[in-house]
Amino acid sequence: DQQVKQNSPSLSVQEGRISILNCDYTNSMFDYFLWYKKYPAEGPTFLISISSIKDKNEDGRFTVFLNKSAKHLSLHIVPSQPGDSAVYFCAASGLASGTYKYIFGTGTRLKVLA
Amino acid sequence: NAGVMQNPRHLVRRRGQEARLRCSPMKGHSHVYWYRQLPEEGLKFMVYLQKENIIDESGMPKERFSAEFPKEGPSILRIQQVVRGDSAAYFCASSPYSGTSYNEQFFGPGTRLTVL
Repeated sequence: DQQVKQNSPSLSVQEGRISILNCDYTNSMFDYFLWYKKYPAEGPTFLISISSIKDKNEDGRFTVFLNKSAKHLSLHIVPSQPGDSAVYFCAASGLASGTYKYIFGTGTRLKVLA
Repeated sequence: NAGVMQNPRHLVRRRGQEARLRCSPMKGHSHVYWYRQLPEEGLKFMVYLQKENIIDESGMPKERFSAEFPKEGPSILRIQQVVRGDSAAYFCASSPYSGTSYNEQFFGPGTRLTVL
């Protein structure tokens, strides 16, 4: 039972354009969401997070949007840069399951073309 | 300030052998988490430990897998009698706060286990 889903395994975007990565979840008890970036042969690196009391959080070129009614979140990267090419994982947690237990999606591989 | 350290980075074992994976959390962090990533899948939670305590091992297979985080030294994930299905990347993460509040987990580079 995949509680966090990233339905696009890969995405290619031209440098300078917007990258939009999507994530859906099924458990309405999740109330904290995170995005991690992962380069090959490295561990995931925290990018940005959002609490369920918000619908948007912005940090530089990265913005995460949360639509609770649709159980959907998205990560926007503007403008996209070649160094953004990596695998992006969304993760969710909640008080009910344990705030420490991140449930990860399967990842989306982003390729930014120069 | 060194990040989370894991060793070895690569480990090859034959079926039936034991695998020991080590994790040193970031300085000042007393909470450690282990995750496993199978090919083409996301990371799956395995276990959450504090010093000398296992807090949640609900993601650990019931047999052959064990974890510890002693008072001194690194956290150890131990897999006995490895099978080919154990081949995966094992990631350790650490955080400074308890599991009752939301906090960022910092991940190590992972150990890639290959079982021949």
